[in-house]
Amino acid sequence: GENVEQHPSTLSVQEGDSAVIKCTYSDSASNYFPWYKQELGKRPQLIIDIRSNVGEKKDQRIAVTLNKTAKHFSLHITETQPEDSAVYFCAVLKEYGNKLVFGAGTILRVKS
Amino acid sequence: GEEVAQTPKHLVRGEGQKAKLYCAPIKGHSYVFWYQQVLKNEFKFLISFQNENVFDETGMPKERFSAKCLPNSPCSLEIQATKLEDSAVYFCASSQSWGFEQFFGPGTRLTVL
Repeated sequence: GENVEQHPSTLSVQEGDSAVIKCTYSDSASNYFPWYKQELGKRPQLIIDIRSNVGEKKDQRIAVTLNKTAKHFSLHITETQPEDSAVYFCAVLKEYGNKLVFGAGTILRVKS
Repeated sequence: GEEVAQTPKHLVRGEGQKAKLYCAPIKGHSYVFWYQQVLKNEFKFLISFQNENVFDETGMPKERFSAKCLPNSPCSLEIQATKLEDSAVYFCASSQSWGFEQFFGPGTRLTVL
């Protein structure tokens, strides 16, 4: 089955710095790659996603890059703010499948 | 509705008791998913539905877990004879169609004592 590895498990950055979280996956049939942000005690919320026919997508301070050959994708947050502090999860959806396979999560702490 | 709704918010059961969780997907969404999030944050897929039909149940511990999505009713996830290791937050999610974004509900925290 699909295996998703996420690194790092924790990340501390200074306010205003950039944060990068990386995920690798094993199944080359995967074609949809969402990122979720989960605050303590809250539901996971989709912050950005990318499909396999695109290499990069950006939404204000957040961007995702995908390298299908190497089977990895990354979340980039620029100009981090304290409210970006949360747990971030990458996930993978296989073509003809419908269940998300999640990475283990990254705890992001933005220090002001 | 515009958000996935889940009830109850919290559920406490003694080991061996039954637990039943409910989910109302976003109106117009055809797919419903159940995921289990344990204390280490790890998400585990349990089951998915396409309308009222089971789509994928590969994650379900079938001997004690069951789920339904009946027309005009909230979807439900039932655990017979709960065990300590069933303690987790259970999230329901829905999507408009195959391969579309999945939107999550607020979760039900199940504590088994």
